Amino acid sequence: NAGVTQTPKFQVLKTGQSMTLQCAQDMNHEYMSWYRQDPGMGLRLIHYSVGAGITDQGEVPNGYNVSRSTTEDFPLRLLSAAPSQTSVYFCASKRWQNSNQPQHFGDGTRLSIL
Amino acid sequence: TQLLEQSPQFLSIQEGENLTVYCNSSSVFSSLQWYRQEPGEGPVLLVTVVTGGEVKKLKRLTFQFGDARKDSSLHITAAQPGDTGLYLCAGPLPIYNNAGNMLTFGGGTRLMVKP
Repeated sequence: NAGVTQTPKFQVLKTGQSMTLQCAQDMNHEYMSWYRQDPGMGLRLIHYSVGAGITDQGEVPNGYNVSRSTTEDFPLRLLSAAPSQTSVYFCASKRWQNSNQPQHFGDGTRLSIL
Repeated sequence: TQLLEQSPQFLSIQEGENLTVYCNSSSVFSSLQWYRQEPGEGPVLLVTVVTGGEVKKLKRLTFQFGDARKDSSLHITAAQPGDTGLYLCAGPLPIYNNAGNMLTFGGGTRLMVKP
């Protein structure tokens, strides 16, 4: 049981390039989300999904797109990378209904935009 | 401005000392969670508090939810080097009608316990 798997672990991009951060979970969780973590700011919600085919914006969605074609996968796309998107990105999943259930986080993708 | 403010931001103590970390907000939360994050890994849930005034203990860690559900604290007794890490509090984003799924996080307290 792998939990939440994120790839790649590290990536360096040039300004204007596009890329997709992959996230997969094998726990059959309905809810998945993407956060970015910046020093001193905790984690901020980018996008989330409550099930296959359903996505919505979080606190800081600009510059990012998501899709949820299957329960297992929730990729995050940067359409035109900017230096302000340099951050550590975390994907998380949880069962939708019970708020006391934990969010399960992946180990993160460290992204640098030059 | 963050909805959840954590203090202190950094804490460096000797093994065996006690410490308290605070998580404060001007908003009422239906629940608050505490996570611990180690370098190179994602946050891991330690506890969820849901009732005002609630106290939960996890070995040497004591978590308290304020009576008004606007604040929480984490107290560690006799800290050990293994307690080193980033401690994050989190609560359901008030603007979303959700069952604790969309979280807002505090800025974190980075704890270092020296042997």
